[in-house]
Amino acid sequence: DTAVSQTPKYLVTQMGNDKSIKCEQNLGHDTMYWYKQDSKKFLKIMFSYNNKELIINETVPNRFSPKSPDKAHLNLHINSLELGDSAVYFCASSQGSSGAWEQYFGPGTRLTVT
Amino acid sequence: DAKTTQPNSMESNEEEPVHLPCNHSTISGTDYIHWYRQLPSQGPEYVIHGLTSNVNNRMASLAIAEDRKSSTLILHRATLRDAAVYYCILRSYNTDKLIFGTGTRLQVFP
Repeated sequence: DTAVSQTPKYLVTQMGNDKSIKCEQNLGHDTMYWYKQDSKKFLKIMFSYNNKELIINETVPNRFSPKSPDKAHLNLHINSLELGDSAVYFCASSQGSSGAWEQYFGPGTRLTVT
Repeated sequence: DAKTTQPNSMESNEEEPVHLPCNHSTISGTDYIHWYRQLPSQGPEYVIHGLTSNVNNRMASLAIAEDRKSSTLILHRATLRDAAVYYCILRSYNTDKLIFGTGTRLQVFP
């Protein structure tokens, strides 16, 4: 059974479009995250949610809006896509929200904006 | 955020032990030392973490210096599947932020 899953795996779209990436975890964790890995492989946190409440928002443009319908899901909606949004987006989850807990990552969604 | 320093790359032969070093001289008393790795075309994978004492799990061992200013991830017998980028990360007890650096790219040769 997949612990953290993301859909779609690949997403190709044009500038200006709106798209969503979905994430689900079946680990019973209460904290979920979105990370972005750019073309230089630099991995950076974007958001974290704990029990459906936004905890971290790392100065991400407001075109990016995470939504957590329940503890097991954290979706990422992106409006007015730009070329610079092309990256691999990883979802992750953890049991707690402190440094004592490990994070489990999904397989990633490769977004290409043309 | 406390910073870590790792070598850009390391090499190993299969079935040999690998010692991946990490310096974190500005570590605070409440920082946990986390190690993650990222295999090609996959998401990061948790390896191990510790606070003060050495830690062992099925994947690796973590040796933490007595002053906590450095640590070493030990893979006891490298396999080809261990070829990945290994990240050493400091994470405060009161934050859920993982701040990834550039990591160490480990190559394993048959």
